Amino acid sequence: KQEVTQIPAALSVPEGENLVLNCSFTDSAIYNLQWFRQDPGKGLTSLLLIQSSQREQTSGRLNASLDKSSGRSTLYIAASQPGDSATYLCATAGFQKLVFGTGTRLLVSP
Amino acid sequence: DTAVSQTPKYLVTQMGNDKSIKCEQNLGHDTMYWYKQDSKKFLKIMFSYNNKELIINETVPNRFSPKSPDKAHLNLHINSLELGDSAVYFCASSLSGQNFYGYTFGSGTRLTVV
Repeated sequence: KQEVTQIPAALSVPEGENLVLNCSFTDSAIYNLQWFRQDPGKGLTSLLLIQSSQREQTSGRLNASLDKSSGRSTLYIAASQPGDSATYLCATAGFQKLVFGTGTRLLVSP
Repeated sequence: DTAVSQTPKYLVTQMGNDKSIKCEQNLGHDTMYWYKQDSKKFLKIMFSYNNKELIINETVPNRFSPKSPDKAHLNLHINSLELGDSAVYFCASSLSGQNFYGYTFGSGTRLTVV
């Protein structure tokens, strides 16, 4: 049974810092891994999708890496901004379902 | 245009009532899902449907009955609502097969049972 854990659970940083969010999973037999952002009271916005055959994906200030063998993914956010404040969720895709991590609540202060 | 739309956005109802949540996607996806986000914000799958057929039923009480009239719609009917059913319910869709492009989520339905 897949278990996905995210560290840290919460993170507070000043604007401008580069930061790393961690995601670990127990079963490496995944199709892909997806990072989402969730704003308070809102839905999920897909940020990056890494296929199982890929090592990383980049979108703007975001870079996500995937190491299937060690069961880890990291989301790197460069030059953080207050607008980045949200909960970040990673999720592994197996057969017909996503298994979500516990989330990292990020607060970027001006 | 909204890709995955759910209605209603908010639902407040009394214990014992029956309610439905509707979901529609216009992405041409063939698989649709219901996820539940509990009070601790943890997201967990409830059901998945592929081409209108139930694929996954993740130990959800029988009071929850999904219905998929076609590939673009997946509705969730809940009978005899209980306080513990209060949560945010998310609909999602994806395109199955080897070219897997990830999931798209709706904006959620916040259900409050009083």
